[in-house]
Amino acid sequence: DTAVSQTPKYLVTQMGNDKSIKCEQNLGHDTMYWYKQDSKKFLKIMFSYNNKELIINETVPNRFSPKSPDKAHLNLHINSLELGDSAVYFCASSQMGNEQFFGPGTRLTVL
Amino acid sequence: AQSVTQLGSHVSVSEGALVLLRCNYSSSVPPYLFWYVQYPNQGLQLLLKYTTGATLVKGINGFEAEFKKSETSFHLTKPSAHMSDAAEYFCAVSPSGTYKYIFGTGTRLKVLA
Repeated sequence: DTAVSQTPKYLVTQMGNDKSIKCEQNLGHDTMYWYKQDSKKFLKIMFSYNNKELIINETVPNRFSPKSPDKAHLNLHINSLELGDSAVYFCASSQMGNEQFFGPGTRLTVL
Repeated sequence: AQSVTQLGSHVSVSEGALVLLRCNYSSSVPPYLFWYVQYPNQGLQLLLKYTTGATLVKGINGFEAEFKKSETSFHLTKPSAHMSDAAEYFCAVSPSGTYKYIFGTGTRLKVLA
């Protein structure tokens, strides 16, 4: 069973479009995260939810909107996509003080 | 503020040689420390972690790390590198009692035959 899953794995789209990435974890964790990894492999935290409540909201354009319908799911919606949004987006989950479990990533390419 | 510094964005070692990847951190509260490995086109997976207790921590694939509070370091070592160790390695710190994880910029390990 996959612990943290993301869909889709690849996403290719045109500038200006709106897209969503979905994440699900079956580990029973309370906290979920979205990270952006750029071409230089830098990992940047974007958002975190704990029991459906937003607890971390880093400096991210408001075109990015997370949504957590329940504690096992955290989705990321991106409006008006720009070239600079091209990256790999990782979802992760954890319990406080313990390691994070990462999904396989979603490679977003904006043309 | 918390931060993580990984010295050396690229490290090359010969197969069979010692692997040493450096990580220094700053944290105003006791830290939880982690090393993750990322293979090409994959997510990050945990190598090892330090929370409390024994300062020498053993992880998967023969890796280990030692928490040195006086030096604010958590360096990763492996006595003998294998070709399959070639990957990106990330050090991370999570201040105890928080949900936040701060990652270093990563070190790409190359293993030479």
